[in-house]
Amino acid sequence: TQLLEQSPQFLSIQEGENLTVYCNSSSVFSSLQWYRQEPGEGPVLLVTVVTGGEVKKLKRLTFQFGDARKDSSLHITAAQPGDTGLYLCAGAHSGAGSYQLTFGKGTKLSVIP
Amino acid sequence: DTAVSQTPKYLVTQMGNDKSIKCEQNLGHDTMYWYKQDSKKFLKIMFSYNNKELIINETVPNRFSPKSPDKAHLNLHINSLELGDSAVYFCASSQGLGGGNQPQHFGDGTRLSIL
Repeated sequence: TQLLEQSPQFLSIQEGENLTVYCNSSSVFSSLQWYRQEPGEGPVLLVTVVTGGEVKKLKRLTFQFGDARKDSSLHITAAQPGDTGLYLCAGAHSGAGSYQLTFGKGTKLSVIP
Repeated sequence: DTAVSQTPKYLVTQMGNDKSIKCEQNLGHDTMYWYKQDSKKFLKIMFSYNNKELIINETVPNRFSPKSPDKAHLNLHINSLELGDSAVYFCASSQGLGGGNQPQHFGDGTRLSIL
C-alpha cells in the first residue's frame, strides 16, 4: 500500500508570512501532483512534478520533488488570504495496468489578514 | 461550461435506503473515477473506469456498484445505506489511463448524510 504523509495537518499564519508544506512517503512515485481544495468544491490541480529534484514555480508557490521521488514540498512566499484552502499532495503509481493517485490527508491552511 | 458535473450536490436519506449519484464529464476524457472524502478530508479512490471498463476496484463494500453507460458518464449506486457511508463523494476524470502526468478534474462533490 502506497502511503503519503502530509505535514503539518493544520497551519494558521498571518498574511505576508512564508510557509512550507511537506509530503513524504517510503514509496517511489512516477510523479507527484499538488491540488488545492476550497470549501464546497472539488480539488483543483496546481502542478505536477515528474523528475527527481524538479522544481516548479507558480507565482508565489514553489514545488519541489525529492531526488528519490519519494517526497515533495510546497513553499508559499508572502501568503495571502486567497491562499487559504486544503492542500493535497497525490502520488501517481502504476498497478494492475493502470495508474492511480494516492492522496495525502491534506494540509488545511488559513491565512489571516 | 461545467467540466465534471455531479448530481445531486446534497443527499440526505435514511439508513437502509438505496440511492444513486450521477456524474457526467464533457472533457472528452477516457477515464473516470469515484473517490470518497471522509470527515477528516482524506480522499480515497473507490473505482476507476476507462472507456466503460472497470480498471480499479478498491476494497469497497459490494453495496457500492458503479455503472458506466458511456465514457462520459459514471454513476454510483449504493444499496442499504449505512451510517458510515456519510461522506462527500467526488467524481473525477482524466485523459488516457490516468497516467501520472495527467491531471484529474474533479466535480464539486455530493454530500451524503445518512440519518
